[in-house]
Amino acid sequence: AQRVTQPEKLLSVFKGAPVELKCNYSYSGSPELFWYVQYSRQRLQLLLRHISRESIKGFTADLNKGETSFHLKKPFAQEEDSAMYYCALEGSGSARQLTFGSGTQLTVLP
Amino acid sequence: EPEVTQTPSHQVTQMGQEVILRCVPISNHLYFYWYRQILGQKVEFLVSFYNNEISEKSEIFDDQFSVERPDGSNFTLKIRSTKLEDSAMYFCASITTGVYGYTFGSGTRLTVV
Repeated sequence: AQRVTQPEKLLSVFKGAPVELKCNYSYSGSPELFWYVQYSRQRLQLLLRHISRESIKGFTADLNKGETSFHLKKPFAQEEDSAMYYCALEGSGSARQLTFGSGTQLTVLP
Repeated sequence: EPEVTQTPSHQVTQMGQEVILRCVPISNHLYFYWYRQILGQKVEFLVSFYNNEISEKSEIFDDQFSVERPDGSNFTLKIRSTKLEDSAMYFCASITTGVYGYTFGSGTRLTVV
């Protein structure tokens, strides 16, 4: 069974401080991992996918297979980063369904 | 940028009534999904739809639920006899081959009273 764990429900940091949102996964195969962001009252938006190894809005995430982690990081948080962040795993099945973590509400304080 | 469109944005219904939630996925996408999020809980998979049939469904997706793609553009989720615990935000999503990462709709908030 696949599982995604985000241990922090709430995370507050000051503007300009580094931020790390933790994500651990459990999956027997080779996972596809994503970070989705949900700004207040808006839709879920794809932020990052591990396969692309990209940086979006200053965020990066590295897949660590040894630690089964996919933590989201940003060196200098901005107030507009305040949102709900979900880590998600796509299994290798043909249906490509996502398993979500429970989410972390990030608040960036001025 | 193409969007997944969901209607209505909010629906209130009485317990036992049927509801139909509507979604227009991105036109060239091939895989369609419904997810739901009960207030304060995680986003949960309900069902995936590919090639005009259900490809996967979760244990939440019982006989009260059904999906259809009646006209090649709309993708609907029907709940036949709503229960209080069906109150949630329902998200539609679509994706196509060779692309990683869904496009989600803005959701329908269903309130069963």
